[in-house]
Amino acid sequence: EPEVTQTPSHQVTQMGQEVILRCVPISNHLYFYWYRQILGQKVEFLVSFYNNEISEKSEIFDDQFSVERPDGSNFTLKIRSTKLEDSAMYFCASSESGGKSYEQYFGPGTRLTVT
Amino acid sequence: AQSVSQHNHHVILSEAASLELGCNYSYGGTVNLFWYVQYPGQHLQLLLKYFSGDPLVKGIKGFEAEFIKSKFSFNLRKPSVQWSDTAEYFCAVNSDRDDKIIFGKGTRLHILP
Repeated sequence: EPEVTQTPSHQVTQMGQEVILRCVPISNHLYFYWYRQILGQKVEFLVSFYNNEISEKSEIFDDQFSVERPDGSNFTLKIRSTKLEDSAMYFCASSESGGKSYEQYFGPGTRLTVT
Repeated sequence: AQSVSQHNHHVILSEAASLELGCNYSYGGTVNLFWYVQYPGQHLQLLLKYFSGDPLVKGIKGFEAEFIKSKFSFNLRKPSVQWSDTAEYFCAVNSDRDDKIIFGKGTRLHILP
């Protein structure tokens, strides 16, 4: 069964450094998402991406964050200057289409630790 | 704004006990409803979903959920739990107007062997 993959599984970085989290969505999917889960808290939506542009973003997704689909397979989340509070599990998801009736498939997550 | 409330943060049951996890959402329009499960060390997996039709939805591993529109609820049930059901369970919703899924805080289920 096709699945969403994410690399790395765990990333440790120092405050102020840039990080890029990578995701390979399911190949025929057109919509891509990033969510995050701070330890002990709920999973929160960050951004959705379709047709090479952001379709929706949350208040969390400020200027420090960016997303890109650099080629036909990868979908990346960049955090320009990491802060301690960016420490979380970051989940990528993809779906065939958006909105109603289309399931989002989640990747295994990347645990980001900012020290 | 949409929100999801899960009533139980931590539930401990013995094997073969029946399970019901509560979930309420707030949104005035048409919604899609989900239950996701996260087994220890694994990623989020979809247990079941409701988009339309029969409000009693059957999912994988013997789980089911009932959408009660008048109560804005989507409770998860399983008649007889197993030790392997130990996991965290997330209720989630999205509207027919946007793509993002709003998650509840999760319920950590621990099944005693």
